[in-house]
Amino acid sequence: GQQLNQSPQSMFIQEGEDVSMNCTSSSIFNTWLWYKQDPGEGPVLLIALYKAGELTSNGRLTAQFGITRKDSFLNISASIPSDVGIYFCAGQLGGGSNYKLTFGKGTLLTVNP
Amino acid sequence: ETGVTQTPRHLVMGMTNKKSLKCEQHLGHNAMYWYKQSAKKPLELMFVYNFKEQTENNSVPSRFSPECPNSSHLFLHLHTLQPEDSALYLCASSQGPRMTEAFFGQGTRLTVV
Repeated sequence: GQQLNQSPQSMFIQEGEDVSMNCTSSSIFNTWLWYKQDPGEGPVLLIALYKAGELTSNGRLTAQFGITRKDSFLNISASIPSDVGIYFCAGQLGGGSNYKLTFGKGTLLTVNP
Repeated sequence: ETGVTQTPRHLVMGMTNKKSLKCEQHLGHNAMYWYKQSAKKPLELMFVYNFKEQTENNSVPSRFSPECPNSSHLFLHLHTLQPEDSALYLCASSQGPRMTEAFFGQGTRLTVV
């Protein structure tokens, strides 16, 4: 089946630093999603990308849908302690029965105050 | 609060026990899902229900038995589980089988002893 390679697996940064993480796939997706999971909670959708090359922001978060449709990245600017959590990428081919999401293994972000 | 409520939040059960996980959504959605989240592994889709009908069984062992009595409620009945079934079980719902707009519950942390 399809697999997503998400990197890095974990990051330890100082408050105020910018963060970048990415996902790559050997096959194309028509939708890319980024989720955040706080400790003890379920994943929450941060950004959805529906078009190759699309660049979308949500506050301090910016995500891009790679032009090849095989990758996506998420940037967090000026990190704050509440950014701590696990960030997941997910891809969806879409259409017909291809609505299932393929998830990455996640990036664990730790922000030191 | 995402509008998807899971109970219990934590469950410890023996391998010979029978227990059930419950999920309720207050969003008026008509599709509901069960996911399994294990450490250092991507989220795994288990079951999909659309308008109370099961539309997806992702090769899940029969010791996991889902039930969807109506569009607002979803159960996962567990019996004779194995220690490797210990994981966080997440319920999600969406308007139609468009997982890109799914809302997740907080999950049930299951430990099989």
